[in-house]
Amino acid sequence: EPEVTQTPSHQVTQMGQEVILRCVPISNHLYFYWYRQILGQKVEFLVSFYNNEISEKSEIFDDQFSVERPDGSNFTLKIRSTKLEDSAMYFCASSLTRTDTQYFGPGTRLTVL
Amino acid sequence: DAKTTQPPSMDCAEGRAANLPCNHSTISGNEYVYWYRQIHSQGPQYIIHGLKNNETNEMASLIITEDRKSSTLILPHATLRDTAVYYCIVRPHQGAQKLVFGQGTRLTINP
Repeated sequence: EPEVTQTPSHQVTQMGQEVILRCVPISNHLYFYWYRQILGQKVEFLVSFYNNEISEKSEIFDDQFSVERPDGSNFTLKIRSTKLEDSAMYFCASSLTRTDTQYFGPGTRLTVL
Repeated sequence: DAKTTQPPSMDCAEGRAANLPCNHSTISGNEYVYWYRQIHSQGPQYIIHGLKNNETNEMASLIITEDRKSSTLILPHATLRDTAVYYCIVRPHQGAQKLVFGQGTRLTINP
């Protein structure tokens, strides 16, 4: 069964450093998403992406964040200058169409020291 | 904010049916009810969704009331591996596609 994959599973970084989280969506899916979950809190939407453009973003997704689909398979989330409060699980999701079910990856645990 | 209300926690004995309720009294005609679950800190796992008819798949059954203001997710024969947080999410068929997660129901399956 096709699935969303994410790398790395755990990333540790120093405050102020740039990090790139990688996702490989399900191969024929066209819509891509990032969510995050701070420890003990709800899963929160960050951004949705389609046709090489951001289609929707939340207030959390400020200028420090960017997304990219650098090739036909990867979908990345970059945080330019990490803060302590960026420590969270980051989940990538994908869907075939805008209204179709979103399938999630296993997540990347980001720890900012 | 989430448009659903779920009990914060529930217990169920292994082998029994687990019935998880969800209230969505402000649901509108074009909104679907989706259920996901999250085991530990893993990624949310899709379970099932429906609009107004009851639905069943290999994981669960979804019962939606006739007025669509509430629904119940049924795990027919719960196992220890079904211990997880279960999220009921109302999602429009058009417009914004983000999933809005609430706190969910922490279901514990007891041996």
